[in-house]
Amino acid sequence: QQQVKQSPQSLIVQKGGISIINCAYENTAFDYFPWYQQFPGKGPALLIAIRPDVSEKKEGRFTISFNKSAKQFSLHIMDSQPGDSATYFCAASISPGNTPLVFGKGTRLSVIA
Amino acid sequence: SAVISQKPSRDICQRGTSLTIQCQVDSQVTMMFWYRQQPGQSLTLIATANQGSEATYESGFVIDKFPISRPNLTFSTLTVSNMSPEDSSIYLCSAKRGLDEQYFGPGTRLTVT
Repeated sequence: QQQVKQSPQSLIVQKGGISIINCAYENTAFDYFPWYQQFPGKGPALLIAIRPDVSEKKEGRFTISFNKSAKQFSLHIMDSQPGDSATYFCAASISPGNTPLVFGKGTRLSVIA
Repeated sequence: SAVISQKPSRDICQRGTSLTIQCQVDSQVTMMFWYRQQPGQSLTLIATANQGSEATYESGFVIDKFPISRPNLTFSTLTVSNMSPEDSSIYLCSAKRGLDEQYFGPGTRLTVT
């Protein structure tokens, strides 16, 4: 049973465009939603995270939008750059607590010039 | 953020042998986890490494195959025992710091021949 569904599986965006990756969750107990960025041969790096008390969080070119009623959240990458080409994973967990993250299947983003 | 190192970074092992992967965190953390990631795939949780007690394993993973130690709040090891080619994967150490933030090591790329 997949608790966090991520789409699309892959994404190609022109340089300067907006990249949008979506996730949906099933467990209403989840209340911490991070995004990770992973480059080939590296471990996942925490990019940005949100909690349900806000609908949006922005850090530089990266924005998380959160819709609690729809149980969905998304990552927007503004002004996408070739250096953003990586695999992105959404995740969810119950906060605070000792439960580990549940990950989506990942989105491979390619930003082309 | 937490700085996490893993040793070895990669290894090629023969079928039937065992490999121990070390994970070191730069400061004390509450929770440590071990994940497995097949190339191009998402992360699968193997177990939670509990300090001072036995690890908690996820469905499909057993202690005899993946014994884990966590002797203190900054260090853990994962052993992959009696290896077969199906164990070829990337093994990732992860640590939780603060309320929810979870960080990953660079991974150990294991190839079993």
